[in-house]
Amino acid sequence: DVKVTQSSRYLVKRTGEKVFLECVQDMDHENMFWYRQDPGLGLRLIYFSYDVKMKEKGDIPEGYSVSREKKERFSLILESASTNQTSMYLCASSSGAREQFFGPGTRLTVL
Amino acid sequence: GENVEQHPSTLSVQEGDSAVIKCTYSDSASNYFPWYKQELGKRPQLIIDIRSNVGEKKDQRIAVTLNKTAKHFSLHITETQPEDSAVYFCAPSPLSGGYNKLIFGAGTRLAVHP
Repeated sequence: DVKVTQSSRYLVKRTGEKVFLECVQDMDHENMFWYRQDPGLGLRLIYFSYDVKMKEKGDIPEGYSVSREKKERFSLILESASTNQTSMYLCASSSGAREQFFGPGTRLTVL
Repeated sequence: GENVEQHPSTLSVQEGDSAVIKCTYSDSASNYFPWYKQELGKRPQLIIDIRSNVGEKKDQRIAVTLNKTAKHFSLHITETQPEDSAVYFCAPSPLSGGYNKLIFGAGTRLAVHP
């Protein structure tokens, strides 16, 4: 069974803080993705990575950065958190152009 | 870029009825058409997908049909059960080398009433 885990289920941060969200997968998938999910908007792609140290911008990269130093781990960084980044963040991984497996999500609240 | 729309946004059916959700897209390069299901408080999971060289695919009570000319594809659920209650997302995409960059629709909330 593919297992994708995320470091926190719930997170509360203050405006201006630097926030790290971590995602780990155990199936040796080369592709990893970060989405944010907001009511009525579906899932929107922030960044993805198709190999270690490689990254590509998704549809809404502004205010975010990512890091992939190891194949199994993909981190999403909010350099200076703002209230409009309050959302559910979902990580996913895939092998090739196949099914994406999602983590449980991190609900981030920025006060 | 790709514009994806799902209809309806909410759907309420009686147990045993059929449900149909339609997804329209704009990018003619899209050739991969998955449907994901997200139960309340859970992660999205792939339930069925189709590639553009196939017009229809069926898996037990669920099926997906594709009309590439009209740029839409639909999810069909027959004999609905309460456990089918969830939000369903379509995510058409072009298959690009070693990954597919999914563009998700806004979702359809399906409620199946006993």
